[in-house]
Amino acid sequence: NAGVMQNPRHLVRRRGQEARLRCSPMKGHSHVYWYRQLPEEGLKFMVYLQKENIIDESGMPKERFSAEFPKEGPSILRIQQVVRGDSAAYFCASSATGISYGYTFGSGTRLTVV
Amino acid sequence: AQSVTQLDSQVPVFEEAPVELRCNYSSSVSVYLFWYVQYPNQGLQLLLKYLSGSTLVKGINGFEAEFNKSQTSFHLRKPSVHISDTAEYFCAVNLQGAQKLVFGQGTRLTINP
Repeated sequence: NAGVMQNPRHLVRRRGQEARLRCSPMKGHSHVYWYRQLPEEGLKFMVYLQKENIIDESGMPKERFSAEFPKEGPSILRIQQVVRGDSAAYFCASSATGISYGYTFGSGTRLTVV
Repeated sequence: AQSVTQLDSQVPVFEEAPVELRCNYSSSVSVYLFWYVQYPNQGLQLLLKYLSGSTLVKGINGFEAEFNKSQTSFHLRKPSVHISDTAEYFCAVNLQGAQKLVFGQGTRLTINP
């Protein structure tokens, strides 16, 4: 029973390029969450999705960031026209029914913008 | 809005010594409380959680935490640490019924031989 799978583990992008981060939740989990961890900081909530629906995107920057969780396939966090300040670790988590059971986190994607 | 304060950014201890990592939270409503551990270049692993019931919660790897409602604290303890406990530890809270976690800044635990 594989855990939450994120890829790539490391991603390097030049300023102005697009970054696509993928997250496959645990089998049977239909809730996906994205968090960002800036250097020397804790994790900050970005967005919560269920299949084909964005439930809460209160932590997403207003521009350049988007997320989706299609009916088939992984959840995608997309960052357009990346800037140096986007360099961070991006973690995905999934759960079966809700937070009270605790998330399962993936190993993260470390994005470096050069 | 909830917030979480981890009072120590770094805690160095000697192997086999006891350790306490402090966590205080602020919330006007009931919350769930969590401790996560992050080993270098890895994701977060759940150590333990408090949802309700007994205020003393036991987790994996010999860790435990005590929920103190009056002091709004959820400190993490281990009576005897091992080199393998070297990691970053995060306290988190969740408003009951909500879906997102609010994390503290983290405490880096370093174990010296």
